[in-house]
Formats: sequence, C-alpha cells, structure tokens
Amino acid sequence: DIQMTQSPPTLSASEGDRVTITCRASQNIGRWLAWYQQKPGKAPKVLIYDASYLKSGVPSRFSGSGSGTEFTLTISSLQPDDFATYYCQQYNSYSRTFGRGTKVQIK
Amino acid sequence: EVQLVESGGGLVQPGGSLRLSCAASGFTFSDSGMNWVRQAPGKGLEWISYISGSSSTKYFADSVKGRFTITRDSAKNSVYLEMNSLRAEDTAVYYCAREPAWAATAYFDYWGQGTLVTVSS
Repeated sequence: DIQMTQSPPTLSASEGDRVTITCRASQNIGRWLAWYQQKPGKAPKVLIYDASYLKSGVPSRFSGSGSGTEFTLTISSLQPDDFATYYCQQYNSYSRTFGRGTKVQIK
Repeated sequence: EVQLVESGGGLVQPGGSLRLSCAASGFTFSDSGMNWVRQAPGKGLEWISYISGSSSTKYFADSVKGRFTITRDSAKNSVYLEMNSLRAEDTAVYYCAREPAWAATAYFDYWGQGTLVTVSS
C-alpha cells in the first residue's frame, strides 16, 4: 500500500502568514493527489485535486504543487476561516490513502 | 444539488454487525464511484472501501477486509456498508463520499455529514 507522510502535524501561524504543508508519497503517484480541509464536527471539503487544480469556489489563496512523490499545499495569506485541519490523499492506487493531517492553529 | 445522507449508525457490541446506508441525490447515481471513509474520535481520516458505478469493482482497506462488504442499489440511489465482527477500533464517524463522474480522476468531490458507530459493551 502507498503510505502518505504529511508534515508538520501541527502548525502555529498568524493571520496573513504564508503557510506551506508538505505531503510525501511512499512511491510515485504521478499527480493523483488531493488536499482537503476539515473543521471540527464537519465533513472534509476538497480544496485542490490532481495536485494543482483549484476546486471551483475555493479561494485563490490556496494552491497546490508537486508530482511524483513530493507535494505541497500553500496558503498565501492565512485568513481566520483557514484555521482547520488539512489532509492530503492519494488516489493513484486502489486504496485512496490519506495523510495523517496537519492542524493549523492560531499562534 | 448533490446530497449524500448517511444513516444506520449507533451503539453495537463487540462482535456484532451493523449496516450503514448512504442515500444519494442530485446526480446520476450509476455514473459515480462511491467510497466509505471513517474517522475515529480525535483521529485522522481512513479510507475503507470503494465501489464502482456498475458495482463490478470493489476495494477494501486491509483493516476491514473480510469483515466489511460494500454494495449499491441504483433503484434506491443508495450505497451500503455491511459491517460484521465489529471491534472497539471500528468506533468512528463513517462518511460516504463520491468520486466525480466520467472523469479521469478519483478525488472525493462530495461528502455526507457522517454517521457515528460506537462499538462497546
């Protein structure tokens, strides 16, 4: 099975900060990677799919990059609504594995 | 509007069984692969099962293989997760999630609100 290693597990940042989250796959997954945002008590919501495509309706301050085994999610200027937990997910193989999550909290 | 509504969660004893349902609306149900994802209390997301639009392809995570089965009923626009031999570690919120139809991609574009399964004596 493909393992997804996400870092950091937690991140403390202030409003307006540029934030970067990294996800590493245990083998080549091409560009078959998505990023999700989850708030407490709510279902996850997709932000980025196929590594770098912004889901319709998602603010442009979110961006994704990478291919193969290394991927990043960047929030260009952190907003109050962005404090949440973020997950990467690969869908290259039959098992749609998630990373362990990155909690973005207020500094 | 696409909607996914899970039901069937509850309290069950270890070794017991439970059947979860996910009712879909707002799209052509048979066009989309469907998944179940769970989240244990305070933990991350765990993908557990997939079924293709035609039901011809099914996948399971190792953690549930042999204990859980996935089916779908196009007449009822629903996908089901039959869970047997339940363990305490199966306690979680269970979400159903849709993959985009007719697309060469498989991210989860819509999710239900989740249903809580608690395995405890």
